[in-house]
Amino acid sequence: DAGVTQSPTHLIKTRGQQVTLRCSPKSGHDTVSWYQQALGQGPQFIFQYYEEEERQRGNFPDRFSGHQFPNYSSELNVNALLLGDSALYLCASSFQGAGNQPQHFGDGTRLSIL
Amino acid sequence: AQSVTQLGSHVSVSEGALVLLRCNYSSSVPPYLFWYVQYPNQGLQLLLKYTTGATLVKGINGFEAEFKKSETSFHLTKPSAHMSDAAEYFCAVSALPPGTYKYIFGTGTRLKVLA
Repeated sequence: DAGVTQSPTHLIKTRGQQVTLRCSPKSGHDTVSWYQQALGQGPQFIFQYYEEEERQRGNFPDRFSGHQFPNYSSELNVNALLLGDSALYLCASSFQGAGNQPQHFGDGTRLSIL
Repeated sequence: AQSVTQLGSHVSVSEGALVLLRCNYSSSVPPYLFWYVQYPNQGLQLLLKYTTGATLVKGINGFEAEFKKSETSFHLTKPSAHMSDAAEYFCAVSALPPGTYKYIFGTGTRLKVLA
């Protein structure tokens, strides 16, 4: 049973570019959350998708957007990249119908901005 | 609003010694609490969780934590440290069932185990 998978594992971009990160949730999960983890910090919540809609959003600018597909997979898009966007981006999945069960995390995509 | 404070960004213990990692939370509603571990270049792995019921929670790899409402704490312990425990540990809180709501994480504690 595959867990949460994220692609790519590493990515290097330059300032001003745009990037798309991908996430496939754990089998049986229908909800995807995205977190940003800067170096030496704890993960910060970006947003959560359920039923193909953004349901919650953290304190991130509109440059950060996302999408969820009918198969529950998700994308995180970041436009107009800044040096400060360099971080590990973590995807977490869960199942709405099992509310007390924790979120499962992928290994992340490490994004470096030059 | 919820928040988490992890006291001590770095903790060093000798192999075989007690591990104690501190976590205090703030929550306006009964919290859901978690401890995750992160090894280098990896994602987060769940150690244990508190949702409802018993306040002493046992997790994987010999770790346990006790929910103390009066102290707003959820400290992580392990009786005897092993070299393989060296990693970064994160405490997290959720205001609503974790399958449906965001986590708020602490800033993490890096555990070093000395031979």
